[in-house]
Amino acid sequence: KQEVTQIPAALSVPEGENLVLNCSFTDSAIYNLQWFRQDPGKGLTSLLLIQSSQREQTSGRLNASLDKSSGRSTLYIAASQPGDSATYLCAVSETNDMRFGAGTRLTVKP
Amino acid sequence: DAGVIQSPRHEVTEMGQEVTLRCKLISGHNSLFWYRQTMMRGLELLIYFNNNVPIDDSGMPEDRFSAKMPNASFSTLKIQPSEPRDSAVYFCASSTGQGDAFFGQGTRLTVV
Repeated sequence: KQEVTQIPAALSVPEGENLVLNCSFTDSAIYNLQWFRQDPGKGLTSLLLIQSSQREQTSGRLNASLDKSSGRSTLYIAASQPGDSATYLCAVSETNDMRFGAGTRLTVKP
Repeated sequence: DAGVIQSPRHEVTEMGQEVTLRCKLISGHNSLFWYRQTMMRGLELLIYFNNNVPIDDSGMPEDRFSAKMPNASFSTLKIQPSEPRDSAVYFCASSTGQGDAFFGQGTRLTVV
């Protein structure tokens, strides 16, 4: 069974810093990997979707990379802002299901 | 499109009562997922449907849980009888089947 792990569980940084969130998965035979953001009391919002044939995706200040062979993905956030404070979850799909990590709770201090 | 719509947003019920959670998919999507989120266990996949057919229900915790998709745009998750340990936020998500996923706002269930 696919297991998804996210490190660190929580991260606090001052505004303006660049940061990296990590995601690892046990079965490299994935269909795609997706990064989500969840604000307190809210649903999940998709940030970036990387297909298994791709190495990275970028959206604004966000860049996600995928290394299938090593079972790893990173989410890079440039020039962090207080509005980036949220929980970030990665999810891997093997067919059309999605298995989530426990998330990284990010706090960006003004 | 209004996105994935879940109802109710909040539900408080007494132990032993039946609870029905509802989800309306985005028009044109053919896959639906039900998840449960708790502090202890994170997001757990309960069941997912493709073209109205349940594909994997291995995440459904017990026989007290059942899910249906009576048509292509609507699904229900029923818990009967409910127990305090069922308290969680329940999310549904719909997909085109191409790996994307759009989540509803969730239903916060409290069983007392």
